[in-house]
Amino acid sequence: DTGVSQDPRHKITKRGQNVTFRCDPISEHNRLYWYRQTLGQGPEFLTYFQNEAQLEKSRLLSDRFSAERPKGSFSTLEIQRTEQGDSAMYLCASSLAGRAENEQFFGPGTRLTVL
Amino acid sequence: AQRVTQPEKLLSVFKGAPVELKCNYSYSGSPELFWYVQYSRQRLQLLLRHISRESIKGFTADLNKGETSFHLKKPFAQEEDSAMYYCALEVGGAQKLVFGQGTRLTINP
Repeated sequence: DTGVSQDPRHKITKRGQNVTFRCDPISEHNRLYWYRQTLGQGPEFLTYFQNEAQLEKSRLLSDRFSAERPKGSFSTLEIQRTEQGDSAMYLCASSLAGRAENEQFFGPGTRLTVL
Repeated sequence: AQRVTQPEKLLSVFKGAPVELKCNYSYSGSPELFWYVQYSRQRLQLLLRHISRESIKGFTADLNKGETSFHLKKPFAQEEDSAMYYCALEVGGAQKLVFGQGTRLTINP
């Protein structure tokens, strides 16, 4: 499968713990996006990278959240001191900048449950 | 502020009947609109984009700037169309997507 992959697919953690998610985009894609989706809602933009540079962050992304894309390939999203409100599906998407179509390809998501 | 509204959370129609999923947007710039679909146990995937003016799986969507709408239509629904449908607006230099809440479409046999 050459699509976007995410790991883990499910994560259950206790409030106050730190968690880290990984996203591997489609190999030639230089743009990588993180979205969060809560029950009954559409995905909400969190942050985006072009190559290794983090170019935009949503106000939804509190200082407990940090994302990296150190070599312009895979990305990690870390949540520190998790809260029950962080429970959601975290989606990663990638695209190729410069293409008029700019289709974003989504991964399967990581479902986080904070107890 | 940019916003996408899908007024129907649930829509149920019979096989062979016409389908229309509504989408309205609010955006001060030139809108780029998409429909994404998520079938059961599959990932979110692009169905169609307005700029392509294409028909995918029998679905079409026309951008109406006067009514700020981008409704998705299909003349004859099929059971395999049952899925979650999201309307999305592309904004900013980042080309990030702003999604609506989604409409769950169920096609009854």
